[in-house]
Amino acid sequence: DAGVTQSPTHLIKTRGQQVTLRCSPKSGHDTVCWYQQALGQGPQFIFQYYEEEERQRGNFPDRFSGHQFPNYSSELNVNALLLGDSALYLCASSLDLIQETQYFGPGTRLLVL
Amino acid sequence: AQTVTQSQPEMSVQEAETVTLSCTYDTSENNYYLFWYKQPPSRQMILVIRQEAYKQQNATENRFSVNFQKAAKSFSLKISDSQLGDTAMYFCAFITFVGSQGNLIFGKGTKLSVKP
Repeated sequence: DAGVTQSPTHLIKTRGQQVTLRCSPKSGHDTVCWYQQALGQGPQFIFQYYEEEERQRGNFPDRFSGHQFPNYSSELNVNALLLGDSALYLCASSLDLIQETQYFGPGTRLLVL
Repeated sequence: AQTVTQSQPEMSVQEAETVTLSCTYDTSENNYYLFWYKQPPSRQMILVIRQEAYKQQNATENRFSVNFQKAAKSFSLKISDSQLGDTAMYFCAFITFVGSQGNLIFGKGTKLSVKP
């Protein structure tokens, strides 16, 4: 039973560039959440996708956008990268929209220079 | 505002001993779920234990147990017979649902070191 997978594992970008991160949910899960974890902090909720729509959003600017595909996989896009966007980006999946337990992927470490 | 506070940034324990990690939270909702997640240096966030707020009985998972005090909004994690593999960051989190919307709120974590 495949768990949550994310790609790439590491990424280095420069300020102003754009980045796309990818996530495949755990088998049987249809809901995906994205979190940003700055160094030394707990994860912060970015947004949630269900049925290919953004269902709720945390306190992040519009530079952060996403997408969910019919196979439930998801992408996180960040435009006009800032130094402060350097973080570990975590994807988590759950059985459905109101399922409380989320399972996390290994994350993508983004470094913005 | 919904918040989670972990007052112990770092803790250490000798192998085979018991350690307790503290967590307090704040929410105005009555129905919610509480979690402890473990994040080893490999970065993978692993679910350790979960507790439904409507259940009075404290959850246990092998060597891991919680002390859930709903009135005090306290949710501590006890690790018995600590093992070297328990070395990790531990995050306390909760989720509430308003309608169909809910997302995890995390604390800042406690770095646990298990010493041989």
